[in-house]
Amino acid sequence: KQEVTQIPAALSVPEGENLVLNCSFTDSAIYNLQWFRQDPGKGLTSLLLIQSSQREQTSGRLNASLDKSSGRSTLYIAASQPGDSATYLCAVFISNFGNEKLTFGTGTRLTIIP
Amino acid sequence: DTGVSQDPRHKITKRGQNVTFRCDPISEHNRLYWYRQTLGQGPEFLTYFQNEAQLEKSRLLSDRFSAERPKGSFSTLEIQRTEQGDSAMYLCASSPRPTGGSFNYGYTFGSGTRLTVV
Repeated sequence: KQEVTQIPAALSVPEGENLVLNCSFTDSAIYNLQWFRQDPGKGLTSLLLIQSSQREQTSGRLNASLDKSSGRSTLYIAASQPGDSATYLCAVFISNFGNEKLTFGTGTRLTIIP
Repeated sequence: DTGVSQDPRHKITKRGQNVTFRCDPISEHNRLYWYRQTLGQGPEFLTYFQNEAQLEKSRLLSDRFSAERPKGSFSTLEIQRTEQGDSAMYLCASSPRPTGGSFNYGYTFGSGTRLTVV
């Protein structure tokens, strides 16, 4: 059974700092990995999608890496801003005999201190 | 198309009542998924449709839960005889048909329906 772990569960950093969020998964047979952002009481906003054949993806101040063999992904946020405060979730997509599933971690709750 | 729409945004119901939620996916997406999220946890898979066919159901989806996607467009999730443990955020997502060798183009989620059972 695929398990996804995110460490730390919560993180507070001063505005302007660079930071890294970690995601690990137990089964390396994934097709892709997606990072999401979730504001309190809201739905999920997709940030970055990395296919299993890719090593990283970038969007603005965000950079996500994927090391499929070691079961790890990181989300790097540069020059953090108070608006980055949210919960960040990683999820891996697997497909097994036609059954498709996105399995989520429990998230990292990020607070950027002005 | 403005994305995945879910209705209602919030629902408060008494224990034992039935509730129904609706999800309208992005129009060209043929895959539709339902997830449930409780406080402090990541979303958990409930079920998914490819067009109108329900292809997988989680063990989390008890007999009191039923989902449909008539004509492969919008979907409904019904919970019968609600229990306090059903209180959660119910999230819907859709994904396009994969082409060109790529297996999945990623999910787009709606804003969710927050259910409170009192």
